[in-house]
Amino acid sequence: DAGVIQSPRHEVTEMGQEVTLRCKPISGHNSLFWYRQTMMRGLELLIYFNNNVPIDDSGMPEDRFSAKMPNASFSTLKIQPSEPRDSAVYFCASSFLAGGALAKNIQYFGAGTRLSVL
Amino acid sequence: AQSVSQHNHHVILSEAASLELGCNYSYGGTVNLFWYVQYPGQHLQLLLKYFSGDPLVKGIKGFEAEFIKSKFSFNLRKPSVQWSDTAEYFCAVRAPNAGNMLTFGGGTRLMVKP
Repeated sequence: DAGVIQSPRHEVTEMGQEVTLRCKPISGHNSLFWYRQTMMRGLELLIYFNNNVPIDDSGMPEDRFSAKMPNASFSTLKIQPSEPRDSAVYFCASSFLAGGALAKNIQYFGAGTRLSVL
Repeated sequence: AQSVSQHNHHVILSEAASLELGCNYSYGGTVNLFWYVQYPGQHLQLLLKYFSGDPLVKGIKGFEAEFIKSKFSFNLRKPSVQWSDTAEYFCAVRAPNAGNMLTFGGGTRLMVKP
């Protein structure tokens, strides 16, 4: 299995530009998570999806951030417009949520996208 | 607020020293517990997990963790660390009724001096 695949690995952009981060979860997984990691705030959950439906987006910092999951094999996290304080590493993770086996699912993380907003 | 606490933010050890990283949580009821490791410049990888049964859990690379329900703790241990264990370690908890969500602690940065 290729694991969770994120692209790009690195993104450098200027303030005000639109940024789109992409994630392909592990095949067969039905839950997908977006996290942000910074030195100041550590690892924060931004949003997560079950069966392509957003379940909890309370961690999304503000309206500039949006996430979509049009199908089971693809998700995007968009920042528009981007600001220097958005600079961070963004991780995507996926897991398999089964009704009777909630306790067994494990989150697998992608390699992350390092975003720098100048 | 319900939370996961890792009290040691930075730990520096010499090779062959013993390691114990603390993790405490504040959720009642049945929880699932995890330790993830993040090597420099890499993504988070699962080190070990506890769902039920024996409270002493063995993980990869010689790590183990002990679930002590009465203390709401899940401390990570390794009897003899190596330079290659230099990494950041995250404790995570799946709380009751949290669905598929994990709550992560703030992480502990471990540096092992050769």
